[in-house]
Amino acid sequence: AQSVTQLGSHVSVSEGALVLLRCNYSSSVPPYLFWYVQYPNQGLQLLLKYTTGATLVKGINGFEAEFKKSETSFHLTKPSAHMSDAAEYFCAVSVRSNYQLIWGAGTKLIIKP
Amino acid sequence: DAGVIQSPRHEVTEMGQEVTLRCKPISGHNSLFWYRQTMMRGLELLIYFNNNVPIDDSGMPEDRFSAKMPNASFSTLKIQPSEPRDSAVYFCASSLTIYEQYFGPGTRLTVT
Repeated sequence: AQSVTQLGSHVSVSEGALVLLRCNYSSSVPPYLFWYVQYPNQGLQLLLKYTTGATLVKGINGFEAEFKKSETSFHLTKPSAHMSDAAEYFCAVSVRSNYQLIWGAGTKLIIKP
Repeated sequence: DAGVIQSPRHEVTEMGQEVTLRCKPISGHNSLFWYRQTMMRGLELLIYFNNNVPIDDSGMPEDRFSAKMPNASFSTLKIQPSEPRDSAVYFCASSLTIYEQYFGPGTRLTVT
C-alpha cells in the first residue's frame, strides 16, 4: 500500500532564504508524485508532478522537486522564498493505474519578513 | 474554462438538518472526487466517481452521508441528519487523466 510522510507540519523561513519541504513515500510500484499548494481559503492547485523521465521537475512559482528512488523522497525546494509563498503544501502519490491520490498531512510554510 | 464550481461556498445549519453540497466538474473530465478537510484529520477522500459511477466510497463516514452523480456535469454530497462533527471544508475535484486533479474552492460547512 502507498503512503506519504511529510516531515514538519510547519516550516518557517525568512524571506529570501531557501525553502525545503520534505516528502517521503512508500510504494510497491513506481509511483507518480505530486506537490499541491493551498492558499488560505482556496482549493488545492497542482504545483508540479513527476511521472517518468527527468527526475528533477520544475513547477510554477520557481519551485522544483527531485525524485530520488533510492531515498524514496520527493522534496520540494525553492532557492529564494517570497512572502507570497506562504501557504500549505501537500505531497501526494498515486498508483499508475488508479486515479486516486494518497495525500500527506501537509506542511504549512511560514515566511518571516 | 470556469474550473470546478461548488455551491454554496458557506453553509451554516443546525444539528439534525439535511445539507446538500453541489459540484459542477470541468467539462470533459471523467473522474470526480469529494474530499473533506479538517484540522484534526487533514484531507480525506470521501468518494470517487469515474464516468458517473461510484468506484470507491470507503471514505464515506457513515450512512448519514450519500453522494450522487446523475450526469457528467453534476454531483451532490448529502448529509442527513447533520451533526456538529461534520463541520469541515468539503472539496470537489475533477480530473481527466491520472496526472492532475482540479479542485473547486470548497464549501465551508458549520453545523451548530
